[in-house]
Amino acid sequence: GESVGLHLPTLSVQEGDNSIINCAYSNSASDYFIWYKQESGKGPQFIIDIRSNMDKRQGQRVTVLLNKTVKHLSLQIAATQPGDSAVYFCAEGDRKNYGGSQGNLIFGKGTKLSVKP
Amino acid sequence: EADIYQTPRYLVIGTGKKITLECSQTMGHDKMYWYQQDPGMELHLIHYSYGVNSTEKGDLSSESTVSRIRTEHFPLTLESARPSHTSQYLCASSEYVGSTQYFGPGTRLTVL
Repeated sequence: GESVGLHLPTLSVQEGDNSIINCAYSNSASDYFIWYKQESGKGPQFIIDIRSNMDKRQGQRVTVLLNKTVKHLSLQIAATQPGDSAVYFCAEGDRKNYGGSQGNLIFGKGTKLSVKP
Repeated sequence: EADIYQTPRYLVIGTGKKITLECSQTMGHDKMYWYQQDPGMELHLIHYSYGVNSTEKGDLSSESTVSRIRTEHFPLTLESARPSHTSQYLCASSEYVGSTQYFGPGTRLTVL
C-alpha cells in the first residue's frame, strides 16, 4: 500500500505485504532526513536516515528513498509485521545551519500504519 | 536505545499546581528540546537549548519555562497547571543542530 503522509494519515496493510509511507519535505536547503517510528505511549525512535547526497539507503527490512527534485521522501517496509504498527514521522534537517534555529529538525505530521493479521 | 530519561512517566494533578518535568541525557549532547504532542498528533517544539545557560522558545507558544544549568539536565516547569496543559511532553537531544534527535519516553500529563 502507499500513503502520502500529509494527506492520508492512516495506512492499513496486510501482514506480509510491503508498506510505503511517503513524505513531502519543505526546505530545499535540507541536507539530512530521518524516519522515526512512534509506538503508542512511547517517544519517537530513530529508524533510518539519509543524507542529501544519496538517493537510497537500506536498513534491515526498511529502505528510504530520496527525490530531491520534487522534495519527496519515502519509507518502504518489507514484509510488514504486526510489530510495525505505529505512527511514522519523517524529519528534515539543515546541518549546514550551525547555530541558527532554522536548522532545527522539521517534523512531518505523521502517518499511522496499521497491520492486519 | 538512547540514553535519555524523563520523569515522571505519568502525572495527574489538580489545577493551579506547580510542576516540573525532568529530562536528563548521558550522551553529552549540547542540544536539547521539548516537544508537546497530543495523542496521535504531530510534534510541536515548545523549547530548545543549544547549551548551558542557553534557552529559546520554540514554534508553539507555551506557558511553560525551562532552564539549562547543566549540560545533561533540561527541566520544564509549569508554574500553574491548567486543564489545557494536558498533553504528552517529549524531551530530545542531539549532537548537532539539524542532526538526529534522540527522544525520551515522554511524560503524559493530565491536569484535572
